[in-house]
Amino acid sequence: DAGVTQSPTHLIKTRGQQVTLRCSPISGHKSVSWYQQVLGQGPQFIFQYYEKEERGRGNFPDRFSARQFPNYSSELNVNALLLGDSALYLCASSLMRDPGTQYFGPGTRLLVL
Amino acid sequence: EDQVTQSPEALRLQEGESSSLNCSYTVSGLRGLFWYRQDPGKGPEFLFTLYSAGEEKEKERLKATLTKKESFLHITAPKPEDSATYLCAVNTNAGKSTFGDGTTLTVKP
Repeated sequence: DAGVTQSPTHLIKTRGQQVTLRCSPISGHKSVSWYQQVLGQGPQFIFQYYEKEERGRGNFPDRFSARQFPNYSSELNVNALLLGDSALYLCASSLMRDPGTQYFGPGTRLLVL
Repeated sequence: EDQVTQSPEALRLQEGESSSLNCSYTVSGLRGLFWYRQDPGKGPEFLFTLYSAGEEKEKERLKATLTKKESFLHITAPKPEDSATYLCAVNTNAGKSTFGDGTTLTVKP
């Protein structure tokens, strides 16, 4: 079975630009969460979506938004990029009955110049 | 606010030298504690879920235990391929997962 997939794998943007990251969960998983991981730190929770609805939000500014589609795939959007947004963005999928057991994708490495 | 603290930050072992990694936590309404392994440049890989104090899980050379305030990941006779960053996370009744910053393990042959 395919695991969680993310695209693109790498991305370079300049300050002020906007970016969209994409995630496809494991088949049968209806919950998708997004995390930001800065080098040397653990993943920081951004959003959780289940059945196309936002179920949780971390301490991130409104420049970060996300959505989930009917096929349970998800997009993370970041507007007005800052240098500090440079990080590895991870998507994880899970079964809603066991939301803490998450299966992560390989991540998208975003560099903001 | 939920907090997860992992120690040590880095651990260097000789092949075969057993040791333990610590994860202490302060949360409201623990729903589960999770251990992940992360290799450089990759996403975390799920290892264990622990739900209640006293619970233990094992997988190959790894054994995870849980108390009311902390969890330990015991590594028995490690091999170089066990080198990675080990992350601990807690999930609460609010549905949010909080991760520690990890312990980077290096096992030398």
